[in-house]
Amino acid sequence: DIQMTQSPSSLSASVGDRVTITCQASQDISNYLNWYQQKPGKAPKLLIYDASNLETGVPSRFSGSGSGTDFTFTISSLQPEDIATYYCQQYDNLPVTFGQGTKVEIK
Amino acid sequence: EVQLVESGGGLVKPGGSLRLSCAASGFTFSSYSMNWVRQAPGKGLEWVSSISSSSSYIYYADSVKGRFTISRDNAKNSLYLQMNSLRAEDTAVYYCARDLRIAVAPRAFDIWGQGTMVTVSS
Repeated sequence: DIQMTQSPSSLSASVGDRVTITCQASQDISNYLNWYQQKPGKAPKLLIYDASNLETGVPSRFSGSGSGTDFTFTISSLQPEDIATYYCQQYDNLPVTFGQGTKVEIK
Repeated sequence: EVQLVESGGGLVKPGGSLRLSCAASGFTFSSYSMNWVRQAPGKGLEWVSSISSSSSYIYYADSVKGRFTISRDNAKNSLYLQMNSLRAEDTAVYYCARDLRIAVAPRAFDIWGQGTMVTVSS
């Protein structure tokens, strides 16, 4: 199975800050990488697909980049409504696997 | 409105069975691959199973292979997960999720239900 390692596991930032989360795959997955946001008690929401494509309706402050084994997810200006846990997910090989999640809090 | 609504969760004893359902509306259900993803309490996301639009391609996580069966009824716009030989470690919220693209293997999950809780305990 492909292991997905996110860092950090949690972070605390101020409103307006730039927030960056990284995701490393245990092997080359090309750009077969998605990012999700999950708010407490809610289902996950797809934000970014194929490493860098913004899902329809998602604010442009969210972005993704990377290919191969190293990927980055960025919130350009953190907003209070961005408080959530973020997950990366690979689909290069079955089983589809997720990172362990990064919890984002407001400082 | 595009919507997925799960049902069928509950409390079951170890070794027991449960059948989850997911009712789809607002889109052409028969065109999309569908998936089950679960989340144990306080834990991360785990993909469970996928089924292609015509049920020709079916995939399972090793953790459920041989115990769970995914199926769909396109005439009823419904997805199912038959869960047998349940274990304590199957305790989780189970989400059904639509695949972003029309593909045979799971890719990205763009529409999710609200989830249904399955608790396996004696």
